[in-house]
Amino acid sequence: QQQVKQSPQSLIVQKGGISIINCAYENTAFDYFPWYQQFPGKGPALLIAIRPDVSEKKEGRFTISFNKSAKQFSLHIMDSQPGDSATYFCAAYRTSYGKLTFGQGTILTVHP
Amino acid sequence: DGGITQSPKYLFRKEGQNVTLSCEQNLNHDAMYWYRQDPGQGLRLIYYSQIVNDFQKGDIAEGYSVSREKKESFPLTVTSAQKNPTAFYLCASSYHRGNTEAFFGQGTRLTVV
Repeated sequence: QQQVKQSPQSLIVQKGGISIINCAYENTAFDYFPWYQQFPGKGPALLIAIRPDVSEKKEGRFTISFNKSAKQFSLHIMDSQPGDSATYFCAAYRTSYGKLTFGQGTILTVHP
Repeated sequence: DGGITQSPKYLFRKEGQNVTLSCEQNLNHDAMYWYRQDPGQGLRLIYYSQIVNDFQKGDIAEGYSVSREKKESFPLTVTSAQKNPTAFYLCASSYHRGNTEAFFGQGTRLTVV
């Protein structure tokens, strides 16, 4: 009930293309869904987040789409750049538990 | 500068030894977390603490121990009972409930030799 499943495991995109990473969750008690970006040898950093009462959130080139009925959410990176090459993690948070549950991660490579 | 500091960055341990990883934060966060990162497995929660002198087991607590004697500090001990300790360990902190953004340290890479 606490799982978050993320796909794909790795993704290769050309510069200027759209990167799409998908996540699915099981527990409807989750009430906050962040995405984290991690560069090699560094800790993850918050990229963008959404709450389940909103279907879409956009910040610059990054957009989260949220489908509450399907229990799925996705990250779209528009106009992907080589500097976006990193590992991306989706996560789900349940306030009553006070902890984040992470997906398996997606290694994104953007070719110039 | 406010932040979360992990030390050391690299740590080598002989089999059978206990080692302690340090995590300190000056963000005045109530909650602190320890995650383990292995390739293809994401971040798995080891232990977390929402207030001083209290902590809970995460999903993979076996072979690990923690303490939370001060708000700023949440050290993790990897004991000899942990059968496969080689991994990248990440500490994080956040405000307790309400504001849920977690801030991560730079990680400690532990290698058993």
